[in-house]
Amino acid sequence: DAKTTQPTSMDCAEGRAANLPCNHSTISGNEYVYWYRQIHSQGPQYIIHGLKNNETNEMASLIITEDRKSSTLILPHATLRDTAVYYCIVRPLNNNDMRFGAGTRLTVKP
Amino acid sequence: EAQVTQNPRYLITVTGKKLTVTCSQNMNHEYMSWYRQDPGLGLRQIYYSMNVEVTDKGDVPEGYKVSRKEKRNFPLILESPSPNQTSLYFCASSSSDRIANYGYTFGSGTRLTVV
Repeated sequence: DAKTTQPTSMDCAEGRAANLPCNHSTISGNEYVYWYRQIHSQGPQYIIHGLKNNETNEMASLIITEDRKSSTLILPHATLRDTAVYYCIVRPLNNNDMRFGAGTRLTVKP
Repeated sequence: EAQVTQNPRYLITVTGKKLTVTCSQNMNHEYMSWYRQDPGLGLRQIYYSMNVEVTDKGDVPEGYKVSRKEKRNFPLILESPSPNQTSLYFCASSSSDRIANYGYTFGSGTRLTVV
């Protein structure tokens, strides 16, 4: 599996956009980028995934660079409830092996 | 509601006393997996199962057993628990359908303390 690099922690003001970066410079052509988050000690929650095109859903947007070596998860209007650890993972779509790194601890402040 | 259900949520047990943590999913998912989460070590995979009667070791399988006799259930068995198995455990499931695959659905977790 390709490894990912994320900042250890980030802060964001409530109501502002939170932009969480992820580097995956060794990503293979058949590997997707997945984002999950974990609030306190709850089970991780799926957010979004993509291959090479930008993706958007009701939770977030995913921007993948043209060379696919990095991506950014965007929470457009962060709320206090978005405070969590965010994990960026790359894996082939037909491989269910999901390896979690340390993630980024996002703190949304009033 | 589509979900992964783990039981119990909290468990305190003594060293050597066999225990089972149950995991059940109602989404007809083929793939199921167990993780443990420890401070500073993140989520580590214990065992996974690609389908009924198919199981394989993850990164930290020592001291654990699993079985997959039915598609919906994937119990985690600790035959002789030790204090180093004190951890937060998560069960997860996923569809193998390429189109419908949106990654894992996780359970709420089981906090196990072995004294």
